[in-house]
Amino acid sequence: GDSVTQTEGLVTLTEGLPVMLNCTYQTIYSNPFLFWYVQHLNESPRLLLKSFTDNKRTEHQGFHATLHKSSSSFHLQKSSAQLSDSALYYCAPNSNNRIFFGDGTQLVVKP
Amino acid sequence: DMKVTQMPRYLIKRMGENVLLECGQDMSHETMYWYRQDPGLGLQLIYISYDVDSNSEGDIPKGYRVSRKKREHFSLILDSAKTNQTSVYFCASSLFGQGYTEVFFGKGTRLTVV
Repeated sequence: GDSVTQTEGLVTLTEGLPVMLNCTYQTIYSNPFLFWYVQHLNESPRLLLKSFTDNKRTEHQGFHATLHKSSSSFHLQKSSAQLSDSALYYCAPNSNNRIFFGDGTQLVVKP
Repeated sequence: DMKVTQMPRYLIKRMGENVLLECGQDMSHETMYWYRQDPGLGLQLIYISYDVDSNSEGDIPKGYRVSRKKREHFSLILDSAKTNQTSVYFCASSLFGQGYTEVFFGKGTRLTVV
């Protein structure tokens, strides 16, 4: 079946350090769309970035990710974390008209 | 203005009472979802609706039912609420057949069952 794995439940790092949140997926549909959603405290999830194209980097609001179909991965990265990046991040493949959310990774950025 | 609206935003119910959570969207999206969110468990899909009267169970449908009689409205019903249904419930919508388009979320309903 379809599934998504975010290996880190919690990532804590110091402001200015690079961010990498891992995401791997398994889908029945061979060409899924991949999304990252971000949810700040007491808010609803909103789209951060998305991709469909293999091996093409996509960027938004300082974050970037590259879809690698060969390894079924879509890791989220940022070169320098900011305090305002503290939030819950969801990786989500859309397979056959149904989107699946991972358990999420809580990112905490400290001064 | 693209919007998913949830009512009410906060709700306290006694165990055994019936609960109705309502959701509306103004984007003519065919697909609508109900999720619940609990700390450490992410977004769990309760039901998905592909259009009027075309509803499918998600991953955790037990204890819930839904109703979709108009494309723009999707209701979640808890018959005889239980304390373990205390959670934050999110409604969402998206275009059907357009996997590249985003899912839009409502602001959520915080339900407490006492």
